Amino acid sequence: AQSVTQPDIHITVSEGASLELRCNYSYGATPYLFWYVQSPGQGLQLLLKYFSGDTLVQGIKGFEAEFKRSQSSFNLRKPSVHWSDAAEYFCAVAPRYNTNAGKSTFGDGTTLTVKP
Amino acid sequence: NAGVTQTPKFQVLKTGQSMTLQCAQDMNHEYMSWYRQDPGMGLRLIHYSVGAGITDQGEVPNGYNVSRSTTEDFPLRLLSAAPSQTSVYFCASWAASSYNEQFFGPGTRLTVL
Repeated sequence: AQSVTQPDIHITVSEGASLELRCNYSYGATPYLFWYVQSPGQGLQLLLKYFSGDTLVQGIKGFEAEFKRSQSSFNLRKPSVHWSDAAEYFCAVAPRYNTNAGKSTFGDGTTLTVKP
Repeated sequence: NAGVTQTPKFQVLKTGQSMTLQCAQDMNHEYMSWYRQDPGMGLRLIHYSVGAGITDQGEVPNGYNVSRSTTEDFPLRLLSAAPSQTSVYFCASWAASSYNEQFFGPGTRLTVL
């Protein structure tokens, strides 16, 4: 069965510091990979996605993520965190084949706190 | 475009009551899904639909029913509410051509007493 692990439940960084949120997945083949962000009381918004090709993908709000097939990882990074980045971040995987198109799997989330 | 809309935003039920959470999208997306979000457990898939008239179960379907009579609407029915169904519910939709990139509604916070 597919699974997504986000090892860090809660991360605190200072404003202006760099950020890396970890995501590891278990899947039979390389899935589609996503990072979503959820601000308090809001729904989820897509930050970035990986389908194929270049393993370093750029997203919105200055975020990027790197797909590493050998490590089954898709870690999210940002060089300089802003106070507005405080939110919960979810990694997700989805099957490549339409026969299972509905069955995405989400990690448990990482809550990011930004210190002034 | 309104995107994905959900009503109500908040709901309090008593154990045993039934209700329907509404979800609608105006993007003509083929796929729609319902998730529940509980603290420390991420999002868990309840049911999903790959088109009008076609639905399937997700990870946690018990106690919930869905139907999809139109492309736009995907209501979630709680048949007999239980305290274990206290959660935040999110509806999402996406296009078949979009590689599962999902658009989420704002959520419904449900409390069952």
